[in-house]
Amino acid sequence: ETGVTQTPRHLVMGMTNKKSLKCEQHLGHNAMYWYKQSAKKPLELMFVYSLEERVENNSVPSRFSPECPNSSHLFLHLHTLQPEDSALYLCASSQEPRGRVTEAFFGQGTRLTVV
Amino acid sequence: AQKITQTQPGMFVQEKEAVTLDCTYDTSDPSYGLFWYKQPSSGEMIFLIYQGSYDQQNATEGRYSLNFQKARKSANLVISASQLGDSAMYFCAMSRSGYSTLTFGKGTMLLVSP
Repeated sequence: ETGVTQTPRHLVMGMTNKKSLKCEQHLGHNAMYWYKQSAKKPLELMFVYSLEERVENNSVPSRFSPECPNSSHLFLHLHTLQPEDSALYLCASSQEPRGRVTEAFFGQGTRLTVV
Repeated sequence: AQKITQTQPGMFVQEKEAVTLDCTYDTSDPSYGLFWYKQPSSGEMIFLIYQGSYDQQNATEGRYSLNFQKARKSANLVISASQLGDSAMYFCAMSRSGYSTLTFGKGTMLLVSP
């Protein structure tokens, strides 16, 4: 099993559809993240979960709804998206020891196209 | 607020040569971390190297080294002996102490030619 696995790898959805992105980490980490990577823009942090509680939400529209049922799984529920939401969505995880910075490990991403 | 600037949209290098990818940063935090990630066409972000703001020595990981100049707020990545497999996007990123949430630059596309 690779460290961080995202499914599906590719997703095409209409603006009225509801879909979910799934992320699973096999590293025993205690924090998980959703990032959005749009063309010609830096990666943007969307959500952070630490110990299954959301600790950061960077003004993301409500059409994106995260869920973290346990420390190994993270979902991003999508509904009534807009074409500008088309992007690569990356999940990451890290182990957060107090007072230290550690590297985050990323999945391969879900390439989302909204039509 | 934190900001990362990568001024090189693209870089070309011949195989076996060294290349330096530039990164400057801005932050008001006294403690922070600096990272470099590689993103091949497959999409996955691969961690390469980390430098802590209080680390006295420059970080090295195999063929990768980080040229950290704190006074200039720069954290350039040096890749020695480039290989064809090094062709990818390279992102500089930083985080503040206590969290691994990252602020990324726009990236540099590196192409290694035979």
